[in-house]
Amino acid sequence: DQQVKQNSPSLSVQEGRISILNCDYTNSMFDYFLWYKKYPAEGPTFLISISSIKDKNEDGRFTVFLNKSAKHLSLHIVPSQPGDSAVYFCAASEGRGSNYKLTFGKGTLLTVNP
Amino acid sequence: SAVISQKPSRDICQRGTSLTIQCQVDSQVTMMFWYRQQPGQSLTLIATANQGSEATYESGFVIDKFPISRPNLTFSTLTVSNMSPEDSSIYLCSVGVAGTGQGYTFGSGTRLTVV
Repeated sequence: DQQVKQNSPSLSVQEGRISILNCDYTNSMFDYFLWYKKYPAEGPTFLISISSIKDKNEDGRFTVFLNKSAKHLSLHIVPSQPGDSAVYFCAASEGRGSNYKLTFGKGTLLTVNP
Repeated sequence: SAVISQKPSRDICQRGTSLTIQCQVDSQVTMMFWYRQQPGQSLTLIATANQGSEATYESGFVIDKFPISRPNLTFSTLTVSNMSPEDSSIYLCSVGVAGTGQGYTFGSGTRLTVV
């Protein structure tokens, strides 16, 4: 049973436009959400996170929105750049601290075309 | 954030053999995590490795198949034992405690192909 779902396996956008990557979750106990970016032959790298007490977190070109009632979050990249082309994983956790663990989605392959 | 050196980066192994994957961290960390990413699937946590105690395995993973060592605060190994083609995956180690806003740091992964 997939608790974190990324229903779009791939997304293609033009350079300079907005990229919107979506993520849905089913576990109402999740209270912390993260996005990771992964290039081929590399491990995932942390991008941005959001706590359940917020509905938006922004870091430069990257903004994450959280809609708790809909159990939905999204990552916006504006403007998109060719170097943003990668697989993006959504992840969620139930808590913080030593028993903490992440549940990942399957990822969305973003391609930004020049 | 911590820097992780993971090796081997890839390997092709015969079924029935075992492979040990190593992760070296450039700083002392309490917890290390081992993940598996099967083709087309999400990253799945195999186990959590604490120094000085036995690893804690997630549902569906057992110590006999995936023995883990954690001899000190900067190093861990994961062994994939008695391999079959179904074990072909990317294996990743990770450190960090999320909830701090810093997220986890991952190694570059080991791409394992079992033939």
